[in-house]
Amino acid sequence: QVQLQESGPGLVKPSQTLSLTCTVSGGSISSSDYYWSWIRQHPGKGLEWIGYIYYTGTTYYNPSLQSRVSILLDTSNKQFSLKLNSVNAADTAVYFCARVWENGPTFFDSWGQGILVTVSS
Amino acid sequence: AIQMTQSPSSLSASVGDTVTITCRSSQGIRGDLGWYQQRPGKAPKLLIYAASTLQNGVPSRFSGTGSGTDFTLTISSLQPEDFGTYYCLQDYEYPYTFGQGTKVEVK
Repeated sequence: QVQLQESGPGLVKPSQTLSLTCTVSGGSISSSDYYWSWIRQHPGKGLEWIGYIYYTGTTYYNPSLQSRVSILLDTSNKQFSLKLNSVNAADTAVYFCARVWENGPTFFDSWGQGILVTVSS
Repeated sequence: AIQMTQSPSSLSASVGDTVTITCRSSQGIRGDLGWYQQRPGKAPKLLIYAASTLQNGVPSRFSGTGSGTDFTLTISSLQPEDFGTYYCLQDYEYPYTFGQGTKVEVK
């Protein structure tokens, strides 16, 4: 059974870069059936899809964040990462990584537990 | 971006009740919709995909219907463990977008 685990700093200063890593265990990160996604949830609010990456390196980003975000894949370490530039207080959120099945129907079937990132000086 | 609107925003029901949550999209999305349950402090959990297909291991009291712009999640015979917030998610086009959530309280 695949498991995902987010890691990274819980506190980032304004204008700096938020960097998170998601480590995948119990399954292949190179499968052609899946994309690897980041989603965030502002405190007490709903969910926002940030984007995802395919094993080929192809990425799709939410236009609301596209100018500041990048998602990278490290297949040798079974990890994918999120980088969000020029952060501000509005980027304070719980960040989730998830596996997305995209072979026919689409669904987010496995999620990490989430990591709270606070943007503050 | 496609906007997803859920109703109600919250509800309270008793064990054994049937609960219905609706999700409406701002444009047609065929049946490209999923439902997720999120308990407090936890990650969302997939319940239903493709509008009506039950994810493996999810109790059969959960069901989904709909196509186009209007979708429904039904929980028949509500159980104590069904508390949490339920979200719909459209995967018809990028960016994928969630509804604002429906908080379910079990009396």
